[in-house]
Amino acid sequence: ETVLTQSPGTLSLSPGESVTLSCRASQSISSNYVAWYQQQPGQAPRLLIYEAATRATGVPDRFTGGGSGTDFTLTISRLEPEDFAVYYCQQYGSSPKIMFGQGTRLEIK
Amino acid sequence: QVRLNQSGAEVKEPGASVRVYCKVSGYSLIELSMHWVRQAPGKGLEWMGGFVAEDGEKMFVEKFQGRVTMTEDTSAETAYMELRSLRSEDTAVYYCATHLKTDYSLDIWGQGTTVTVSS
Repeated sequence: ETVLTQSPGTLSLSPGESVTLSCRASQSISSNYVAWYQQQPGQAPRLLIYEAATRATGVPDRFTGGGSGTDFTLTISRLEPEDFAVYYCQQYGSSPKIMFGQGTRLEIK
Repeated sequence: QVRLNQSGAEVKEPGASVRVYCKVSGYSLIELSMHWVRQAPGKGLEWMGGFVAEDGEKMFVEKFQGRVTMTEDTSAETAYMELRSLRSEDTAVYYCATHLKTDYSLDIWGQGTTVTVSS
């Protein structure tokens, strides 16, 4: 079982700043199998990035995914007020087929 | 536009069963691989299981084996998830989700169904 560890757990930042969220896998995984989601309070998750670096439809270009092997990142440039949310990474693998990281909460300082 | 519309909130007693439905509009259910993800209060996302196209079968997280059933009524364009022998730790929001433009992630989500297990 591949475990995903996200760090940090919580980040406090101000609008306009930039941030890089980390997602580390316990074993190497294909970049094709890594995705990132944003979840606002009381809402369903929204797919932001798939295949590690491809933005989903309608996602602003201030969101950038990257990484390979065991280390993957989500960078958000010039934070907007609506970007303050919880972010999850996800991997597609063998067992379980889909696994999420525990999430990083981005809050307004 | 593909939409997943889920059934309303449920309150169940421990030991009971719950059935959540997920109605598809804007696409044909038979062409979709439906998955179910849950989220306990204040916790992260947990994949429960779903249809894995590359394996041609439904797969489930081991902890739910024997307790969960995922079915589809293609004539009604509706997917169902039944969870039996409910316990308090099953209290969560349950989401159906699928993938349309991606292969290994979930790009379409239902709005979620809150299931509360309490005596």
